[in-house]
Amino acid sequence: GENVEQHPSTLSVQEGDSAVIKCTYSDSASNYFPWYKQELGKRPQLIIDIRSNVGEKKDQRIAVTLNKTAKHFSLHITETQPEDSAVYFCAADTGTASKLTFGTGTRLQVML
Amino acid sequence: GAVVSQHPSRVICKSGTSVKIECRSLDFQATTMFWYRQFPKQSLMLMATSNEGSKATYEQGVEKDKFLINHASLTLSTLTVTSAHPEDSSFYICSARDRITMGEQYFGPGTRLTVT
Repeated sequence: GENVEQHPSTLSVQEGDSAVIKCTYSDSASNYFPWYKQELGKRPQLIIDIRSNVGEKKDQRIAVTLNKTAKHFSLHITETQPEDSAVYFCAADTGTASKLTFGTGTRLQVML
Repeated sequence: GAVVSQHPSRVICKSGTSVKIECRSLDFQATTMFWYRQFPKQSLMLMATSNEGSKATYEQGVEKDKFLINHASLTLSTLTVTSAHPEDSSFYICSARDRITMGEQYFGPGTRLTVT
């Protein structure tokens, strides 16, 4: 089955700096890669996603890149703000199985 | 946007009793719903895939007789934790995928189960 690894597990940045979170996946059949933000005790919220026919996608301060050959994808947050502090999860979906395999999560702390 | 609700949001039960958690898609139809369990400071672990009108597909290591899943309609799936034990205490989250778009999964707000 699919295995998703995520790094780093914790990340502290100064407000205004950029944050990068990286994930690798094992199943070459995976074709959908969402990123979720989860605040304590809340549901995961989709913040951006990318499909395997696209290499990069951007939405304001958030971008995701995908390298299908290397089987890794990354989340980039620019101009970080305190409200970006949360746990971020990457995930991979093979489509055929129609189920998400989540990474282990990254706790992002944006310091004033 | 698509909304998924869960009920109850919190439940406390005694060891040995059963607890039912409901997951509803409010404004779309979901052929498939998913049930996850999340322990503190850990990731979401898929427990089972709930298919409308058929048996659920359980992930390896998840006891199907302990975690009963019923997906009786295109908008409702239920998870029943039977003979609950303290180690079953966790955050249970469901998600649903729109039958038409088959796009992103929409997550419910979660149910915090505490077994005493």
